[in-house]
Amino acid sequence: EAGVVQSPRYKIIEKKQPVAFWCNPISGHNTLYWYRQNLGQGPELLIRYENEEAVDDSQLPKDRFSAERLKGVDSTLKIQPAELGDSAVYLCASSSSVDTQYFGPGTRLTVL
Amino acid sequence: QKEVEQDPGPLSVPEGAIVSLNCTYSNSAFQYFMWYRQYSRKGPELLMYTYSSGNKEDGRFTAQVDKSSKYISLFIRDSQPSDSATYLCAMTSNTNAGKSTFGDGTTLTVKP
Repeated sequence: EAGVVQSPRYKIIEKKQPVAFWCNPISGHNTLYWYRQNLGQGPELLIRYENEEAVDDSQLPKDRFSAERLKGVDSTLKIQPAELGDSAVYLCASSSSVDTQYFGPGTRLTVL
Repeated sequence: QKEVEQDPGPLSVPEGAIVSLNCTYSNSAFQYFMWYRQYSRKGPELLMYTYSSGNKEDGRFTAQVDKSSKYISLFIRDSQPSDSATYLCAMTSNTNAGKSTFGDGTTLTVKP
């Protein structure tokens, strides 16, 4: 069974530029998460989807971040414009139960 | 103060040693307790989860939860160089199912 797929794996951009990350969850997983992980810290939830609905986006900086999950499968996370402090690893995870999340390899973003 | 505090490490042990990794938490609503392993430049991988208090064993790994003390541990017996990674604890409550709060991780190095 294929795991969670994310692309790109690495992205380097200049500040004020837009950037987008893509995630394909494990087939059949209704719940999808986007996390941000800063160096030396644990993942912090940005947004959680149940199918197409964003059920928890309280930690998403809505002035510059947006996300969508069309048709309840793939998801895209966008940042526009990017700031220096956005440099981090952006992780996507999916699950079919509350106690088990499967993570993708992440996208490592560097904002110069 | 963070809801979940994890012993920061780093931790370096010789091969074959018993390793103890620990987290404390403040939210008494947490019911699900997970341990993830994260290799460098990879996403977290679920190792073990425990519901409520008690012990759970899986091969060389044992997870313990003491809800009265708000303290959880992961023990690794006969540690191997392949166990070298960052270990993250995570917790979820029934009232906010699906939202896991992570510790900042402990980096373990097992030397041959």
